[in-house]
Formats: sequence, structure tokens, C-alpha cells
Amino acid sequence: AQKITQTQPGMFVQEKEAVTLDCTYDTSDQSYGLFWYKQPSSGEMIFLIYQGSYDEQNATEGRYSLNFQKARKSANLVISASQLGDSAMYFCAMREWGLSGGYNKLIFGAGTRLAVHP
Amino acid sequence: GAVVSQHPSRVICKSGTSVKIECRSLDFQATTMFWYRQFPKQSLMLMATSNEGSKATYEQGVEKDKFLINHASLTLSTLTVTSAHPEDSSFYICSATGDRVNSPLHFGNGTRLTVT
Repeated sequence: AQKITQTQPGMFVQEKEAVTLDCTYDTSDQSYGLFWYKQPSSGEMIFLIYQGSYDEQNATEGRYSLNFQKARKSANLVISASQLGDSAMYFCAMREWGLSGGYNKLIFGAGTRLAVHP
Repeated sequence: GAVVSQHPSRVICKSGTSVKIECRSLDFQATTMFWYRQFPKQSLMLMATSNEGSKATYEQGVEKDKFLINHASLTLSTLTVTSAHPEDSSFYICSATGDRVNSPLHFGNGTRLTVT
């Protein structure tokens, strides 16, 4: 079963508008971390935002916010005031921590390609 | 901020040869490193997780004898692609982190391997 699901292969948004990129996850662990990364065509992975499973507040980092709905196991990324430079691939990722600390993985969803139009 | 240096950024090698990719954490102690492979327009596929001083944990379907991972120190992990074949051509990327679930993850800039 997919651990991280990103159902939108591609999205487009008008410059200066907001856009939401979906991410759902599957885990039985109580302690886990959720990440969003941006990957431009150059290939580098750019960290955007982090949400811990015990964090009660939704994470925010500048124009990025994470809509964390724990019961639904969703961690959608919201980008406000889109810019042309936001055009890139976006990955949702989860780091699980085994109950006994016995495993330790960071796994990625399939990604969403975002295109920002002027 | 913390930096992970990955070398080389690009390498072309002939079939049958071996290639070593290095991943160094420059200003923090990386207790864990993840190695990924990424095909064009696809996601990052986790190949293995390495913890300093112990054997790497490989994901199902990844040949441990072909993709040798060494994590001998808290600042260096290496991935060696042995007896490379053209189908090993891909983008390889490492990520280094500490030992907490909320430890920051820092990525190298990746290595584009082409096997001719």
C-alpha cells in the first residue's frame, strides 16, 4: 500500500493566486514527521515546511502553510500569492519512527508538478 | 545553514566499471543518511538507510552487492555502484540527518550517473 499519496500529477495556478497541493499518508506510528520539498529542474531538493505528528498548530513558513488534518491523515501544502519561480515539482514526504526506534525511513510521494502562469 | 556536499555532480562511466559517490555533511553530525534514486519525471525512490558505524538497511528489490553503502563516520557516507550497467544510469541523491524524528534533513545536490 502507498504510504504517501499525492493525487495531483500536475497543477497550474495563476500568478498571485493561492494553490493547494494534496498529500495523504498512511502510518500506524504515533510519532512521525511530514515534510514538503520543492525540486526545480536543476534537481536540488529544497525544504519548504515540516509538521510533527504531535504539533497541534499547523506549520507555516512564509508563503507556505501546511493544512494538517491528523484524523484524515492529510497534510496539504498551501502556497499563497504564487510566483513564477514557484513552478517546480513538489514532493510530500514522511519520516516514520518505529515504536521501538527500530526503523527509520524517509519516503516520498509521487510528486505534483506545479506550473505558475503569468 | 547546514550543508551536505555530494560528489561528483555528474559522472560518465563505461559498463562494467565501478563508480563511487560521496556524501559529506559539512557542519553537523549525520547519524543517518538516506540514499535515493530518481528516474526522470519520477519520485525519489529510497534505496537504503545507513546509520553511522553499522550496516545499511536496504529496501526490498535493491541489490546490496551492487549498491555498496558505507557510513564509516558521522560526516561521510559513500555509495558505490559496482559493475555498472546502462540501466543503472539515473540521478542519485543523498540526504543526511540526525537521530530524531524532527531532525532537519539536508540533501545533497545529486549525482547524475550515465553508464555507456
